[in-house]
Amino acid sequence: GAVVSQHPSWVICKSGTSVKIECRSLDFQATTMFWYRQFPKQSLMLMATSNEGSKATYEQGVEKDKFLINHASLTLSTLTVTSAHPEDSSFYICSARRQGSGANVLTFGAGSRLTVL
Amino acid sequence: GQNIDQPTEMTATEGAIVQINCTYQTSGFNGLFWYQQHAGEAPTFLSYNVLDGLEEKGRFSSFLSRSKGYSYLLLKELQMKDSASYLCAVNPNTGGFKTIFGAGTRLFVKA
Repeated sequence: GAVVSQHPSWVICKSGTSVKIECRSLDFQATTMFWYRQFPKQSLMLMATSNEGSKATYEQGVEKDKFLINHASLTLSTLTVTSAHPEDSSFYICSARRQGSGANVLTFGAGSRLTVL
Repeated sequence: GQNIDQPTEMTATEGAIVQINCTYQTSGFNGLFWYQQHAGEAPTFLSYNVLDGLEEKGRFSSFLSRSKGYSYLLLKELQMKDSASYLCAVNPNTGGFKTIFGAGTRLFVKA
């Protein structure tokens, strides 16, 4: 089955620093990956669509210069939270769509919990 | 805009049946999904509907009416482990295969 690995699972950082989160599809190729954030007791908010070999597509209201997305290969997308602030503390989840999949079923990573002090 | 509505919370008894409703208004439609999410974990896929009707998969079934913009997830023979959030999600077919999620329904199963 499709497996997505996300790393790190949790991270604590100081305000002003940058944090990189990796999302890997382990047993399939993913030309498209998606990054979501989730606040406690709320649903997933789509931040951006990560496209292999091209620029990410950001949702309205998401700062592309703050949330840098790189999708350099068919199995890896990274999200970098730059100059993190306490309000960026959240649960970040990546997902991937299996290339060639007819139904757009997403496989999710385990999520990364970011705490900015 | 895109809008997906589902109840915030529901409570049901172990062994019973519960139906979680979802209505949606999206710019397009290319399928509706139900995901289960336990607290602190990532969502896991439950079901997918793209045509009208009922899809059954074990204890879980999902129904879709595209003309009404309506779906429901039916859980039978409830177990305590079914206590989780259930997320209704739609692919609005705006290109890029993105999926939009509703706020989720937190289901509490009591003994």
